[in-house]
Amino acid sequence: DQQVKQNSPSLSVQEGRISILNCDYTNSMFDYFLWYKKYPAEGPTFLISISSIKDKNEDGRFTVFLNKSAKHLSLHIVPSQPGDSAVYFCAASAGETSGSRLTFGEGTQLTVNP
Amino acid sequence: EAGVAQSPRYKIIEKRQSVAFWCNPISGHATLYWYQQILGQGPKLLIQFQNNGVVDDSQLPKDRFSAERLKGVDSTLKIQPAKLEDSAVYLCASSFGTGGFEQFFGPGTRLTVL
Repeated sequence: DQQVKQNSPSLSVQEGRISILNCDYTNSMFDYFLWYKKYPAEGPTFLISISSIKDKNEDGRFTVFLNKSAKHLSLHIVPSQPGDSAVYFCAASAGETSGSRLTFGEGTQLTVNP
Repeated sequence: EAGVAQSPRYKIIEKRQSVAFWCNPISGHATLYWYQQILGQGPKLLIQFQNNGVVDDSQLPKDRFSAERLKGVDSTLKIQPAKLEDSAVYLCASSFGTGGFEQFFGPGTRLTVL
């Protein structure tokens, strides 16, 4: 039962353009969402998060959008840089302040070409 | 601030052998997590500790996997006996609290079972 899905295994964009990574979820109890970035041979690092009471959160070049009715979130990177090339994981939690576990998607490999 | 430390970084064993992984979380982080990441998939939580108590081990295959966090600091994860399908990267993460608190990941241990 894959509760968090990232349907695009890979995405390739040109430097300077926008990267849009998508994530869908099925569990309506999820109320906190995170994006992690992972470079080869390293552990995932936290990028940005959003609570279900918001529909947008922005941090520099990174913006996460949440559409609760569609159970969909997306990560926008503008402008994309070659150093952004990594695997991006979407994760969800069913309790912002509880001990609920994070459920991760399968990841999307982003390649930013110079 | 030192990050999450894990050892070994790589391990190759034959099926039916046993193996142990070690994790030292970030100082002051009460919550420690062990994840299994199979190639092409997102991390899956195996067990979550709050100090030295288990919060969630519902996805831990308890017939062969065990974990402990003595004194609420370091943790070890053991597999005995290993199966071919245990080949994965085992990630340790820690956080100050639970739920919405950011999880910091170690570099992982890549296990290959032959």
